[in-house]
Parts: sequence; C-alpha cells; structure tokens
Amino acid sequence: EAGVTQFPSHSVIEKGQTVTLRCDPISGHDNLYWYRRVMGKEIKFLLHFVKESKQDESGMPNNRFLAERTGGTYSTLKVQPAELEDSGVYFCASSQTSGPNYEQYFGPGTRLTVT
Amino acid sequence: RKEVEQDPGPFNVPEGATVAFNCTYSNSASQSFFWYRQDCRKEPKLLMSVYSSGNEDGRFTAQLNRASQYISLLIRDSKLSDSATYLCVVPPLGSARQLTFGSGTQLTVLP
Repeated sequence: EAGVTQFPSHSVIEKGQTVTLRCDPISGHDNLYWYRRVMGKEIKFLLHFVKESKQDESGMPNNRFLAERTGGTYSTLKVQPAELEDSGVYFCASSQTSGPNYEQYFGPGTRLTVT
Repeated sequence: RKEVEQDPGPFNVPEGATVAFNCTYSNSASQSFFWYRQDCRKEPKLLMSVYSSGNEDGRFTAQLNRASQYISLLIRDSKLSDSATYLCVVPPLGSARQLTFGSGTQLTVLP
C-alpha cells in the first residue's frame, strides 16, 4: 500500500512569490492534516480536513496560507505571497479514523526555502 | 510553559548502551501519549503508544508517570540503526484532532 506522498520534495522561491504544495493521502483515509516545522522549532499543526471539509484550521498562521481538498482526495497548500519566515518543512499526514488514539501516517515533507 | 517539553540532546552513546529520554507535558488531562521516531530528513513514524503506566516492545520501554506528568523512553542494547530524533507526542483531547509535538531528542549511537 502506498504511503502519504508529497510534492515537491524541495522548493526554493523568492520572497513574494507563490508556491503550491501537494499531498496525496493514503487511499481511503478521510482525515488529512497539514503540519509545519520551522527551523529549530517543534512540528506544529496547521489544519485538518475530513474529506473535503475543513474541520480545524486553527493552526494556519495567517491569510497568506490557503489549503484545499477538492473532491476529498489530494490536498494543496498554497502560500501567497511567501515570506522569509515561511521557510521550513511542511508535512502532510492522513488517518483512517479520527478518534483520540489513532495513528497519523506522515508524508516525507516538502522542504520550503524562501529567499 | 510549552505543552510538551523534551531535552533536545544530542545524546551520543556507544553501541550496546542503555539510554533514556524524558518528556514532560503540561495538560494533566492528557490520557495517552506517543513516541515517534524521525530519521534525518524523513517523515516521523510512530514508534510506541503509551496508554497506561507503560508499554514495552523489544528493546524499547515507554513509561508514564501521571503524578509528575512525564513520559520516558528507554532504549536498551542500542544499535547504530537507533540513531534518529525521538519525538514525544500528545494526542488531542476533546474534539480536537491535531497532535502536539515536542521538539525532539536527537540520539546518535556510535560504533
């Protein structure tokens, strides 16, 4: 069974540009999460989808970030315009259920560098 | 105070050594915990779940002390392949669904 995949693996953009990250969850997983790890900090939650609906976007830093999951399959996270502090590793995770003790399966991450 | 705090290390130990990491959490209502392992530039992967006082899986033992609000991970007979960052993770409470991560403890097992 294929795991969570993310594209691209690396992205280097200039401040002010736009970047779109993609995540393909494990097939059949209704729950999809985005997390981010900035340099020297812990991994932090950004948002949670159940199918195509945003359940919780309390971790989104500001309105420069837009996440979508049209059709309830893959998800995109767009950063527009990118700022220097957006640099970090963006992880996507998925889970089959959403109970409190479920396992979230993580993708390899997209390493974003804003220069 | 951070929700989850870990000693960042690094811990450098010889092969065969026993090493232990601690993690403290702030929310006394938390009932269960995870240890995730993250290899360099890879994704975090679930290593162990801790639901009651502790859990053991081969060379790995996780213990929970609710009174002091800390979780520990003990690795016995360390292998070179154990070198990684170990993340203490608190599952969500109530209607929330996001995981809360510690900053991780880096372990290097030396030959």
